[in-house]
Amino acid sequence: DTGVSQDPRHKITKRGQNVTFRCDPISEHNRLYWYRQTLGQGPEFLTYFQNEAQLEKSRLLSDRFSAERPKGSFSTLEIQRTEQGDSAMYLCASSPTYPGQGEADTQYFGPGTRLTVL
Amino acid sequence: DQQVKQNSPSLSVQEGRISILNCDYTNSMFDYFLWYKKYPAEGPTFLISISSIKDKNEDGRFTVFLNKSAKHLSLHIVPSQPGDSAVYFCAASNMNYGGSQGNLIFGKGTKLSVKP
Repeated sequence: DTGVSQDPRHKITKRGQNVTFRCDPISEHNRLYWYRQTLGQGPEFLTYFQNEAQLEKSRLLSDRFSAERPKGSFSTLEIQRTEQGDSAMYLCASSPTYPGQGEADTQYFGPGTRLTVL
Repeated sequence: DQQVKQNSPSLSVQEGRISILNCDYTNSMFDYFLWYKKYPAEGPTFLISISSIKDKNEDGRFTVFLNKSAKHLSLHIVPSQPGDSAVYFCAASNMNYGGSQGNLIFGKGTKLSVKP
């Protein structure tokens, strides 16, 4: 399978614990994105990387959240001191480098990690 | 303030008929639009996209229409099949040709049910 993969698929944790999620993008895709989706809502942008550089962060990404992409391949998203409001589906997407003038890249999503904070 | 709106939470269609899903946006800087399909417990799957320089894009049973003056786009599925039953999300971005701004803005989705 050459799609975007995420691990784990499900995570249940107690309030106050730290959690870390991993995303492996489609190989040769330089851009990697993190989104969060709650019930009844569309995905909401959190942050994105161009290779190893984190280029944009949403105001949703509080200081308890940190994302890394150390070698420009896989990425991790860590949530410290989890709160019940962090319960959501965390989605990762990747896209190729901007292909050329007049075209736009498309983001391809992984299956997501479902986080439940008790 | 929602920049991308899908005002119909659900839509029910008979198999073989046309499904029309609608999406409105408010930000005139959006220049790239996408439709994704999502099954429960899975990530969104890309369906079709359109850039603002076009008013129609077709891929098999799926056609997306863009009306920039009305800030409205629609997804047509013809003929509809039971396997099309899923939640459909409209998304928009400011790709700013020559450099991507990165993030997609999604609507809340429309749940499509195609009945046999």
